[in-house]
Amino acid sequence: GAVVSQHPSWVICKSGTSVKIECRSLDFQATTMFWYRQFPKQSLMLMATSNEGSKATYEQGVEKDKFLINHASLTLSTLTVTSAHPEDSSFYICSATTPSGRAMSTDTQYFGPGTRLTVL
Amino acid sequence: AQTVTQSQPEMSVQEAETVTLSCTYDTSESNYYLFWYKQPPSRQMILVIRQEAYKQQNATENRFSVNFQKAAKSFSLKISDSQLGDTAMYFCAFMRAGTYKYIFGTGTRLKVLA
Repeated sequence: GAVVSQHPSWVICKSGTSVKIECRSLDFQATTMFWYRQFPKQSLMLMATSNEGSKATYEQGVEKDKFLINHASLTLSTLTVTSAHPEDSSFYICSATTPSGRAMSTDTQYFGPGTRLTVL
Repeated sequence: AQTVTQSQPEMSVQEAETVTLSCTYDTSESNYYLFWYKQPPSRQMILVIRQEAYKQQNATENRFSVNFQKAAKSFSLKISDSQLGDTAMYFCAFMRAGTYKYIFGTGTRLKVLA
């Protein structure tokens, strides 16, 4: 099946610094990627939808200036956590898909393995 | 707004036995999809099974099957012949047709006992 990778798998940074997380579709072209956040022992919460070549769409309550998303190619989306603080510590997961455009379609989404961010 | 509720935070089952995980959802949409995802300790999300709301037949994938009750807005997952490798967090998810966005439940932690 299709493979999605994330890099790094874990990162520790100091408060106030910025961290970039990459999400790559390895064997397919992903026109759409999604970024989720998962706190310990909690569910996945959608943060934003990233479409190749256009601006990301953020969910309500997600600060677009803090969580910068770039989807510059069909195989790569990046999430940059700017001026990270301890409360940003979480597990970040991306998923990728190539929507067929059919109204009733539920094109399969492929999830990356996640990135654990710890902000000291 | 759609919501997904999983009322069982934790469950356990003996190896080779059958277990059922519950999920209810709330929506006013008529076209949607329902999913069960597995998240093992590795944290990699794995699709277990999915159901199209317009299909009356319950989806089945090997040892995994669902009981989809559309009127009751219930979508339970049955795991037969449980295996140690089934130990994981299980998330029920809803997707409105055409949106490609998941709404996940809070999860059920399943432990299969040897």
